[in-house]
Amino acid sequence: GAVVSQHPSWVICKSGTSVKIECRSLDFQATTMFWYRQFPKQSLMLMATSNEGSKATYEQGVEKDKFLINHASLTLSTLTVTSAHPEDSSFYICSARDPVNNYGYTFGSGTRLTVV
Amino acid sequence: AQSVTQLGSHVSVSEGALVLLRCNYSSSVPPYLFWYVQYPNQGLQLLLKYTTGATLVKGINGFEAEFKKSETSFHLTKPSAHMSDAAEYFCAVSDMNGGFKTIFGAGTRLFVKA
Repeated sequence: GAVVSQHPSWVICKSGTSVKIECRSLDFQATTMFWYRQFPKQSLMLMATSNEGSKATYEQGVEKDKFLINHASLTLSTLTVTSAHPEDSSFYICSARDPVNNYGYTFGSGTRLTVV
Repeated sequence: AQSVTQLGSHVSVSEGALVLLRCNYSSSVPPYLFWYVQYPNQGLQLLLKYTTGATLVKGINGFEAEFKKSETSFHLTKPSAHMSDAAEYFCAVSDMNGGFKTIFGAGTRLFVKA
């Protein structure tokens, strides 16, 4: 089946720095990818929809200047957490629509971000 | 707007017992429904999905779910629980009106006792 690779799997950064998370679709093209955030023992909250070649669509309440999304190619979307603060610490997961598993979505393995 | 409600944040069963995880959805158009499983510090894995056709869908690891439109439900079942089934389970919905964004329920943690 389709595979989505997410990197890094975990990262620790200092407050005020920026962190980039990559989401790659392997062996398939993804014109649309989705970025989720998951707090401990909670569900996944959709942050934004990443569209190849155009601006991302952010969900209400998500700061677009804080969470920069770039979808420069059909296989890569990146999420950059800018000027990170401890409250940005979370588990971030991306997904892409699986072209083989019709209507299904393939998820990356997630990135654990800890801001100290 | 779409929404998903999972009844019970925690479910505990004995090994070999029936697993039943409840999910109710809200959607203004025919929905696409999913169950995902998540192990600690990992991404999500699709267990099964309903799009159209047969309302009883079978997934991986012996799980199945039945779409009941009249009850707006999509409960997940497995006849006999195994220790390896212990994980977090998420019910999700998407539809055309929502741009096919996937909306997740709050999740149900399944515990399996020996």
